[in-house]
Amino acid sequence: SQQGEEDPQALSIQEGENATMNCSYKTSINNLQWYRQNSGRGLVHLILIRSNEREKHSGRLRVTLDTSKKSSSLLITASRAADTASYFCATDEETSGSRLTFGEGTQLTVNP
Amino acid sequence: DTAVSQTPKYLVTQMGNDKSIKCEQNLGHDTMYWYKQDSKKFLKIMFSYNNKELIINETVPNRFSPKSPDKAHLNLHINSLELGDSAVYFCASSQVGYNSPLHFGNGTRLTVT
Repeated sequence: SQQGEEDPQALSIQEGENATMNCSYKTSINNLQWYRQNSGRGLVHLILIRSNEREKHSGRLRVTLDTSKKSSSLLITASRAADTASYFCATDEETSGSRLTFGEGTQLTVNP
Repeated sequence: DTAVSQTPKYLVTQMGNDKSIKCEQNLGHDTMYWYKQDSKKFLKIMFSYNNKELIINETVPNRFSPKSPDKAHLNLHINSLELGDSAVYFCASSQVGYNSPLHFGNGTRLTVT
């Protein structure tokens, strides 16, 4: 069964607005990672949050993790047209042996 | 200076053919992976090698055979291609350990006609 499920599946906003994407998962994890995929390209790692962390920042990105609810959110502040991409969460399950399981992704469109 | 490179970028072939995809990483990572991304962008792991040894082998038809000649290379050979094999195949690499992010290649779009 799929580990990570993302919400919403698609999000369309205007430049300058904030974008929030959510991810839910089912089992205990070592860490949760967020990746971006531009059209026709490979995934690019954005940020990793460990299971004992609650919040992490990197530039305009803010990630939260709630292990009691088995959920995470990715916030992109002051969005730009260049942020248009698919965003995936990926979980490293405790019992998986360093196997990342990806969600279905959120397609973010930032309109100029 | 591409970190993870895979070839070819596009592969169009007929059912029943055999094809290979090559992957190389210059990051010095010990672990390499093959992922399959379907038309709905769902990404699923197929194989993982650590220092040339197979460590993850998901439920993948045995028509798919990975081969790692050294820790910098992981190739994927597919026999008797089927229509359902059409997808984008991604190679990735990482350092050993739980908190190691993956570095992906740009994918090979396989179309079986």
